Amino acid sequence: DIQMTQSPSSLPASLGERVTISCRASQGISNNLNWYQQKPDGTIKPLIYYTSNLQSGVPSRFSGSGSGTDYSLTISSLEPEDFAMYYCQQDASFPYTFGAGTKLELK
Amino acid sequence: EVQLVESGGGLVQPGRSLKLSCAASGFTFSNYYMAWVRQAPKKGLEWVATISTSGSRTYYPDSVKGRFTISRDNAKSSLYLQMNSLKSEDTATYYCARHGATRVPNWFAYWGQGTLVTVSS
Repeated sequence: DIQMTQSPSSLPASLGERVTISCRASQGISNNLNWYQQKPDGTIKPLIYYTSNLQSGVPSRFSGSGSGTDYSLTISSLEPEDFAMYYCQQDASFPYTFGAGTKLELK
Repeated sequence: EVQLVESGGGLVQPGRSLKLSCAASGFTFSNYYMAWVRQAPKKGLEWVATISTSGSRTYYPDSVKGRFTISRDNAKSSLYLQMNSLKSEDTATYYCARHGATRVPNWFAYWGQGTLVTVSS
């Protein structure tokens, strides 16, 4: 199974700040890496698929990059609604696996 | 608008069975792979099952293989998860999800609101 390691697990940040969340796969996943946002009420919103493609309706302040085993999600300027949990997920091979999550919280 | 609405969750005793349903609308159901993803309380996300467009191919992680069965009814635009021999560690919110592109099991592009399953005596 491919293990996904996310960092940091917690990220205090301020409004307007630029932040980056990292995700490392235990083996190469050929850009098959996706990002999701989860709000406290449980609602899950897909953000980015195949490393850098924005899901329809996702603001352009979100971006993704990476290759091989190392990937990242960047939010260019934090808005109040961005404070949430973020998960990476690989769909290179079954079983599909998620990272443990990053809690983005207000500093 | 794509909508996925789960139902069937509840309290069940260890060793018993439960069947979840997901009603889909807003897209051509038969064109997409579908999936179940779960989240134990205060924990992260775990993929549980995926089914092909026709239902002929199914995929599971080892944690549920042999106990859970994913199925679909394309005529009713509905997805199901039959869960047998339930364990306390199966306690979680179960989300129905649609894979992103037609006929390919890639990212989870749409999610339901989830249904809570509690396994306890």
